[in-house]
Amino acid sequence: KAGVTQTPRYLIKTRGQQVTLSCSPISGHRSVSWYQQTPGQGLQFLFEYFSETQRNKGNFPGRFSGRQFSNSRSEMNVSTLELGDSALYLCASSLLENSPLHFGNGTRLTVT
Amino acid sequence: DQQVKQNSPSLSVQEGRISILNCDYTNSMFDYFLWYKKYPAEGPTFLISISSIKDKNEDGRFTVFLNKSAKHLSLHIVPSQPGDSAVYFCAASLGAGSYQLTFGKGTKLSVIP
Repeated sequence: KAGVTQTPRYLIKTRGQQVTLSCSPISGHRSVSWYQQTPGQGLQFLFEYFSETQRNKGNFPGRFSGRQFSNSRSEMNVSTLELGDSALYLCASSLLENSPLHFGNGTRLTVT
Repeated sequence: DQQVKQNSPSLSVQEGRISILNCDYTNSMFDYFLWYKKYPAEGPTFLISISSIKDKNEDGRFTVFLNKSAKHLSLHIVPSQPGDSAVYFCAASLGAGSYQLTFGKGTKLSVIP
């Protein structure tokens, strides 16, 4: 069974631009979550989607948004990029509540 | 306010010995706890979990202990192997209906051959 796939793996953007990251969950997993990893803050929850509905959102500004499609694939978007948005963005999928999240290898975003 | 804390940023252990990684939490509503292992340039990989109704869970060389009264959990790796060298994250969930994990900042384990 294929794991969680994230594209692209690396991305370099300029301040003020916007970016869209993509995630394909494990087949059959309907919950998709996004996390941001930075050296200072560790792994922080961005949002979680289930059946195309956002169920939870972390403490991030409105510039961070996401969506989920009917095939469970998900995208996250960051608008008006800031230098502090440079991070590893991780997508995870899960089959059931209270079961482990399975992570992709992430997208490394660098904002210059 | 950090609800899940891993107070040791790094740990070095000799190959064959026991590695003990610690984690403390402050939110008594956390119901489910997990450990993840992360290599550079890869996503976290699930290792082992424990529900709050248990105090111990074993899986091969990995054992997680939960002390609810102390709000403390630990991961024991016995025996430690060089391939175990990675960053280990402790994570907690609020339980039923929750897919959101709160992570600690990680402990970098180095197993010395």
